[in-house]
Amino acid sequence: KAGVTQTPRYLIKTRGQQVTLSCSPISGHRSVSWYQQTPGQGLQFLFEYFSETQRNKGNFPGRFSGRQFSNSRSEMNVSTLELGDSALYLCASSLVGQANTGELFFGEGSRLTVL
Amino acid sequence: DQQVKQNSPSLSVQEGRISILNCDYTNSMFDYFLWYKKYPAEGPTFLISISSIKDKNEDGRFTVFLNKSAKHLSLHIVPSQPGDSAVYFCAADTGNQFYFGTGTSLTVIP
Repeated sequence: KAGVTQTPRYLIKTRGQQVTLSCSPISGHRSVSWYQQTPGQGLQFLFEYFSETQRNKGNFPGRFSGRQFSNSRSEMNVSTLELGDSALYLCASSLVGQANTGELFFGEGSRLTVL
Repeated sequence: DQQVKQNSPSLSVQEGRISILNCDYTNSMFDYFLWYKKYPAEGPTFLISISSIKDKNEDGRFTVFLNKSAKHLSLHIVPSQPGDSAVYFCAADTGNQFYFGTGTSLTVIP
């Protein structure tokens, strides 16, 4: 069974640009969550999508947005990039969502560098 | 506001000895706790979990202990192996959202 696939794996952008990251969940998983990992901050929850609806949102500014398609694939977008947005962005899928599932399956992440 | 804290950024242990990784939390609404392991250039993978109604859960070499009164949980790895060298994240779940700690980098010295 294929795992969670994230593209691109690495990308470099400049301040003010925007970026779109993609995540394909494990087949059959309907929930996709996004996390930002930075040194010293651990994994910070961005948002969760379930059946094309945003179900939960973390404490990030509106420049961070996402969506989920009918095939459960998800994209996240960051507009007007800032230097502090440089991070590893991780996508995780699960069968029914974050409510007591006990397990999230993570992709390898997209490493974003903002210059 | 970091609701899940891992105060030790790194830990080194000799092969064969016990590794103890600690995690503290502030939110009494957390009802499920998990540990994830992350190797470089890979996503985190689920390791072990514990429900708030239990105080111990064991899976092979890995045991998680939960002390609700102290809002503290720990992961014990016995015996530690070089392949256990990784970053370990503690996570807590409200039933709505996971909150992750900042991670502890474990190095097991052969």
